[in-house]
Amino acid sequence: GDSVTQMEGPVTLSEEAFLTINCTYTATGYPSLFWYVQYPGEGLQLLLKATKADDKGSNKGFEATYRKETTSFHLEKGSVQVSDSAVYFCALPMNTGFQKLVFGTGTRLLVSP
Amino acid sequence: DTGVSQDPRHKITKRGQNVTFRCDPISEHNRLYWYRQTLGQGPEFLTYFQNEAQLEKSRLLSDRFSAERPKGSFSTLEIQRTEQGDSAMYLCASRRDTTYEQYFGPGTRLTVT
Repeated sequence: GDSVTQMEGPVTLSEEAFLTINCTYTATGYPSLFWYVQYPGEGLQLLLKATKADDKGSNKGFEATYRKETTSFHLEKGSVQVSDSAVYFCALPMNTGFQKLVFGTGTRLLVSP
Repeated sequence: DTGVSQDPRHKITKRGQNVTFRCDPISEHNRLYWYRQTLGQGPEFLTYFQNEAQLEKSRLLSDRFSAERPKGSFSTLEIQRTEQGDSAMYLCASRRDTTYEQYFGPGTRLTVT
């Protein structure tokens, strides 16, 4: 079935460092792909999306490219800030079942000053 | 968009009591989803509504759980005879017919003592 695999966390970085969080997926067809961010005690916020192969989603300095060949959607940011500390989830809508979202286990990012 | 709202944000209850949560989706969104998230995990799908019709339920949704969406607007999720294993964050999300991204509320954190 459809699934998402994310790198284990926590990822610990200093402010202004480069960030990569890996995400690979298994799916039938070519679904849309999403990154969501969750701050402590809050719900999930949509960070960025890509709807087809080779699309690049971007928002708030974060980017991710939909790579069909490697079935990946890695999240990157050139210079992280302390305020980026959160849990990041990669997700895709299932091809069946009314497009409910399937999530990875999440990657916690900790940015220190 | 005013965003998805959920009420209450926190609920502490004793084992065996009944609880009810409410979700108000974004007004023009026909599709509504409930998810459950336990500590350190990604959200897991519980149930889906299209307008007022409940079209899918997860195996996670035991017969102690019931959800409604009267008139296709707000939705409620009720848990009867709560158990400690029900302690989790309950998330509601909604989306339009024409796109796959879902917008999440802030969640209701349930603690069963």
